[in-house]
Amino acid sequence: ETGVTQTPRHLVMGMTNKKSLKCEQHLGHNAMYWYKQSAKKPLELMFVYNFKEQTENNSVPSRFSPECPNSSHLFLHLHTLQPEDSALYLCASSQDRITLYEQYFGPGTRLTVT
Amino acid sequence: QKEVEQNSGPLSVPEGAIASLNCTYSDRGSQSFFWYRQYSGKSPELIMFIYSNGDKEDGRFTAQLNKASQYVSLLIRDSQPSDSATYLCAVKGGSYIPTFGRGTSLIVHP
Repeated sequence: ETGVTQTPRHLVMGMTNKKSLKCEQHLGHNAMYWYKQSAKKPLELMFVYNFKEQTENNSVPSRFSPECPNSSHLFLHLHTLQPEDSALYLCASSQDRITLYEQYFGPGTRLTVT
Repeated sequence: QKEVEQNSGPLSVPEGAIASLNCTYSDRGSQSFFWYRQYSGKSPELIMFIYSNGDKEDGRFTAQLNKASQYVSLLIRDSQPSDSATYLCAVKGGSYIPTFGRGTSLIVHP
């Protein structure tokens, strides 16, 4: 266990559904990240939060909406997704957004959009 | 567009051999370089990072960086079957957004 948990681990949703992914870190870190990992594509950073403030949005479509209520919790709200959004969504944390070398990943949520 | 290139493999080496994984990158302004290991069905795990030209050793792992050639590599000495995984190269420049390669699959056979 890395100290970063994600729920649910698997999610199947229709294109008209609304769902949320949850991430929690127990490491006392101040930066949290959402990544997307699709089959046969590079791991892609989506959002960065540093001290609860969003510092990076890597040109992510608005159907993905992040929320960071505190430094320990991160959510990814999903609505009107497309089948091509099916992927593994990984949460990660680090001490701050600079110390990427101390970044720890959660186990991921495997999302399937039907 | 910033690119990080890795041979997808699989790279197959016998147990006890040296596995050499390579990565090239396009952005000359890149400042920090990372190697992650990802077992099948698991999340990535950072195993090495390097900032300066030359070699950095950590146990059986050695990262090698050549900024002039825009090349970073990972050597795994005395490879073990438990090293079988996909190895991801990531490169970061002045922004806080790393660029990842597609990964190289390594198979260490007994």
